[in-house]
Amino acid sequence: DADVTQTPRNRITKTGKRIMLECSQTKGHDRMYWYRQDPGLGLRLIYYSFDVKDINKGEISDGYSVSRQAQAKFSLSLESAIPNQTALYFCATSELDTDTQYFGPGTRLTVL
Amino acid sequence: DAKTTQPNSMESNEEEPVHLPCNHSTISGTDYIHWYRQLPSQGPEYVIHGLTSNVNNRMASLAIAEDRKSSTLILHRATLRDAAVYYCILRAGDLRAGSYQLTFGKGTKLSVIP
Repeated sequence: DADVTQTPRNRITKTGKRIMLECSQTKGHDRMYWYRQDPGLGLRLIYYSFDVKDINKGEISDGYSVSRQAQAKFSLSLESAIPNQTALYFCATSELDTDTQYFGPGTRLTVL
Repeated sequence: DAKTTQPNSMESNEEEPVHLPCNHSTISGTDYIHWYRQLPSQGPEYVIHGLTSNVNNRMASLAIAEDRKSSTLILHRATLRDAAVYYCILRAGDLRAGSYQLTFGKGTKLSVIP
């Protein structure tokens, strides 16, 4: 079984809809991250969380919110989706004392 | 934050060594140099990281210049499975202070020719 899972894997939605992307991990890591990937732009950090009570904004947090429901779960929400939020979204985890991040398989989101 | 510069693309013949360069002239003394790769239709995958000394692991080697303003990821024998986008990343901030952030650039797309 995969250590970092993301649901859904693909989603098509309409402008103005609320949508939630979910991430779960079985690695027991404290730290979790949400990234967005656009063609030609590499990955950009949206939010990161060092534990359940510690959530931080990344480079491009506007238009997004997150919830850390438990150590193993970190959700990303788009309250009112817009077309320029069409992208590939990745969740990642890391241990407290190491720099290595472990990525999920990604969610491809299309906003029409 | 310190930035990295990588060539957009490189080609290699299968079973030949590959040297992927990265420039980071504004690196600070506490920045670690990380390499990740992303295979088609997959999430990024950790390859290697280092601070000052050269590093080796089962996937690759990392050669760091003495002034730390550049580094090179070395794949000793490229295989078709190594075709991916390779990202050179600097870790900014202090993990313990909670200001951690990895910044991904555009990376180098490596093509491996059979």
